Amino acid sequence: GAGVSQSPSNKVTEKGKDVELRCDPISGHTALYWYRQSLGQGLEFLIYFQGNSAPDKSGLPSDRFSAERTGGSVSTLTIQRTQQEDSAVYLCASSFQGIGEQFFGPGTRLTVL
Amino acid sequence: GNSVTQMEGPVTLSEEAFLTINCTYTATGYPSLFWYVQYPGEGLQLLLKATKADDKGSNKGFEATYRKETTSFHLEKGSVQVSDSAVYFCALSVTGGGADGLTFGKGTHLIIQP
Repeated sequence: GAGVSQSPSNKVTEKGKDVELRCDPISGHTALYWYRQSLGQGLEFLIYFQGNSAPDKSGLPSDRFSAERTGGSVSTLTIQRTQQEDSAVYLCASSFQGIGEQFFGPGTRLTVL
Repeated sequence: GNSVTQMEGPVTLSEEAFLTINCTYTATGYPSLFWYVQYPGEGLQLLLKATKADDKGSNKGFEATYRKETTSFHLEKGSVQVSDSAVYFCALSVTGGGADGLTFGKGTHLIIQP
């Protein structure tokens, strides 16, 4: 079936605005992951969902970041009061029950002006 | 904590040259090890993996062997092609890719010249 999809592919926003990034995992994949890819930090793991539950949110960079998943499928990553250092590519991945290969989406490139 | 160190790039080679990209890791427990590749304009793809010591992962002519004694997982290919130009990421997971997510190295940009 279809792979992991993310929207939007590109987002430009002004400092201080809120943004929502969406991830649609592969159908049947119960595990969903968010990562951030930036020039300075490389690829960082942010958060993991098994079903609708995220057991550990400590990887989120600050309390301006939140993520939710409903219906065991689509997930949204919300960044409130965006800062320039939030500029990065946000990647989503999914896997079958949290084991085996993680399949990555194409990412959302976020630019905060 | 867990960490992955890989050689800085860019690495520039001529077509048909031998490739080695070094990767070493620090981890608690016995991690699974991965190489992911990101081709220009595309998303991350799993290239190969190894889940226990002395395992060899292989795919598309690339190989890497899980060396517990040297905590390494170096990527090799005997004869590279222009189409291998990409960014290569070494990664580990302590839980097999579950709750801890993947810990990535910073990536090595490989450029193959014809």
